[in-house]
Amino acid sequence: EIVLTQSPATLSLSPGERATLSCRASQSVSSYLAWYQQKPGQAPRLLIYDASNRATGIPVRFSGSGSGTDFTLTISSLEPEDFALYYCQQRSNWPLTFGGGTKVEIK
Amino acid sequence: EVQLLESGGGLVQPGGSLRLSCAASGFIFSDYAMSWVRQAPGKGLEWVSTVSHSGGSTFYTDSVKGRFTICRDNSKNTLYLQMDSLRAEDTAIFYCAKGRGLRDSNSDMDSWGQGILVSVSS
Repeated sequence: EIVLTQSPATLSLSPGERATLSCRASQSVSSYLAWYQQKPGQAPRLLIYDASNRATGIPVRFSGSGSGTDFTLTISSLEPEDFALYYCQQRSNWPLTFGGGTKVEIK
Repeated sequence: EVQLLESGGGLVQPGGSLRLSCAASGFIFSDYAMSWVRQAPGKGLEWVSTVSHSGGSTFYTDSVKGRFTICRDNSKNTLYLQMDSLRAEDTAIFYCAKGRGLRDSNSDMDSWGQGILVSVSS
């Protein structure tokens, strides 16, 4: 099973600041990595697929990078609605796995 | 607009059974793999199971193998999850999710239902 480790667990930032979230895989997943956003009481929403492709309707301030074992989700300038939980997920191997999540909170 | 509506959740005793359903609309159901993902209270996301677009292939996380069965009825645009021998640790919100890639089982998930709560307790 591929283990995804997200860091940091919590990121405390102010609106307008840049957020950098990390996801590290226990073995290569090539570029088969996605990022999701989840707000309290809501279902997850796909942000990024295949490491760097924005999903439909996702603002350009969200970007993804990386390949192999190290990936980054960057939010260039935090908007109030971006404070949420973020998860990475790999689809390289079965079982599909998610990271433990990073909470982006208001400082 | 893609819509996924789960039903069938509720409270069940340990060892009991439930069948979840997910009614899909707004896309060609038979062209996409479908998955169940769960989230225990206060915890992260856990992939549970995926069925290929045709229903011919199924995949499970180890903890549910032999207890859960995923299937789909493409004529009814509906996904199912039969859950038997339920345990307390199965307590979670269960989400139905649509695969992003056309006829690709190994897919991320681009649309999600609102989720349905399954509680396993005596």
